[in-house]
Amino acid sequence: DIQMTQSPSTLSASVGDRVTITCRASQSISSWLAWYQQKPGKAPKLLIYKASNLQSGVPSRFSGSGSGTEFTLTISSLQPDDFATYYCQQYNSYFGPGTKVDIK
Amino acid sequence: QVQLQESGPGLVKPSGTLSLTCTVSGGSISSNNWWSWVRQPPGKGLEWIGDIYHSGSANYNPSLKSRVTMSVDKSKNQLSLNLNSVNAADTAVYYCARVVGAFDIWGQGTMVTVSS
Repeated sequence: DIQMTQSPSTLSASVGDRVTITCRASQSISSWLAWYQQKPGKAPKLLIYKASNLQSGVPSRFSGSGSGTEFTLTISSLQPDDFATYYCQQYNSYFGPGTKVDIK
Repeated sequence: QVQLQESGPGLVKPSGTLSLTCTVSGGSISSNNWWSWVRQPPGKGLEWIGDIYHSGSANYNPSLKSRVTMSVDKSKNQLSLNLNSVNAADTAVYYCARVVGAFDIWGQGTMVTVSS
């Protein structure tokens, strides 16, 4: 099975900061990667699909990149609504352990 | 637009069977999509349980495969999850989701507690 890891596990940042989260797969998954945002008590929300494609309705400050085994999610200017936990996922399969973005 | 709603008992006894239903509204479960179940123990991350196509073809997480069964009822536009021999570690919020490669639509989730 392919293992998904994320770093960091927790990230403290301020409004306006540029934030980058890394996801790694234990073997190549091409571009078959998605990113989700989850807030407490809510279902996850799809942000990015196929590594770099922005889901409809998601603000353009979110972007994804990478292929193969290493991927990144970038928030260009962190907004108050962005404090949440972010998960990567190999398509139709396993999730990474999550990265919590909290207020510095 | 397509919406998903999970339902089922909120409390299951240890060694019993957890049974949940996900009702699809605003679209057909027979569309060209897979449908998935995901769970999240309190305070922990997301765990993919498995997925199913309307034909009945299913894929399960190997860590749960011996205890999981998924099914589809096209007449009711529903998918179902059965997890047997449950224990406290199966206590979680259970979500259903539509699969388009990524999971683009999710239900609100339902909390299931395993306790006597």
